[in-house]
Amino acid sequence: DAGVTQSPTHLIKTRGQQVTLRCSPKSGHDTVSWYQQALGQGPQFIFQYYEEEERQRGNFPDRFSGHQFPNYSSELNVNALLLGDSALYLCASSLRQGGYEQYFGPGTRLTVT
Amino acid sequence: DQQVKQNSPSLSVQEGRISILNCDYTNSMFDYFLWYKKYPAEGPTFLISISSIKDKNEDGRFTVFLNKSAKHLSLHIVPSQPGDSAVYFCAASVINTGTASKLTFGTGTRLQVTL
Repeated sequence: DAGVTQSPTHLIKTRGQQVTLRCSPKSGHDTVSWYQQALGQGPQFIFQYYEEEERQRGNFPDRFSGHQFPNYSSELNVNALLLGDSALYLCASSLRQGGYEQYFGPGTRLTVT
Repeated sequence: DQQVKQNSPSLSVQEGRISILNCDYTNSMFDYFLWYKKYPAEGPTFLISISSIKDKNEDGRFTVFLNKSAKHLSLHIVPSQPGDSAVYFCAASVINTGTASKLTFGTGTRLQVTL
């Protein structure tokens, strides 16, 4: 049973650039949530997708956007990168109906220089 | 505004003894609580959860206790093993009917189990 997968593992970008991160949910899951984890902090909720639409959003600027595809996989896009966007980006999948536990992927480490 | 707090950044416990990790929350709307374990270079791994209608949930060596009046929960690991050494995150959510809700995390407690 494949768990949550994310790509790439690591990424280095320059301030002002744009980045796209990818996530495939656990088999059978239809909901994908994205989190940002800064060093020494807990994960912070960015947004959640199901049925290919953004359903909930945390306190993140519009530079952060996403997409969910018909196969439930998802992308996180960040535009106009800032140094403060350097973090571990985690994808979590769950079931929309009754899926209170979320299962996380290994994350993508983004470094902005 | 930190709605979920883990006030102990680190904890060291001898192998075989009990590990107790604590978590406090301020938002009374939270009604579902989870504990995750995280090793370096890996994503958080789900450990155990508890609904606000219960005060205890047990799974093998792991037990979570919930005190709603104090807005406090704790994770007990008995007996502690060296493989339990990791960062433990407490998370809380509001259950929306039929919807997986966003998680609000604490800042984590690093547990070290020594021989």
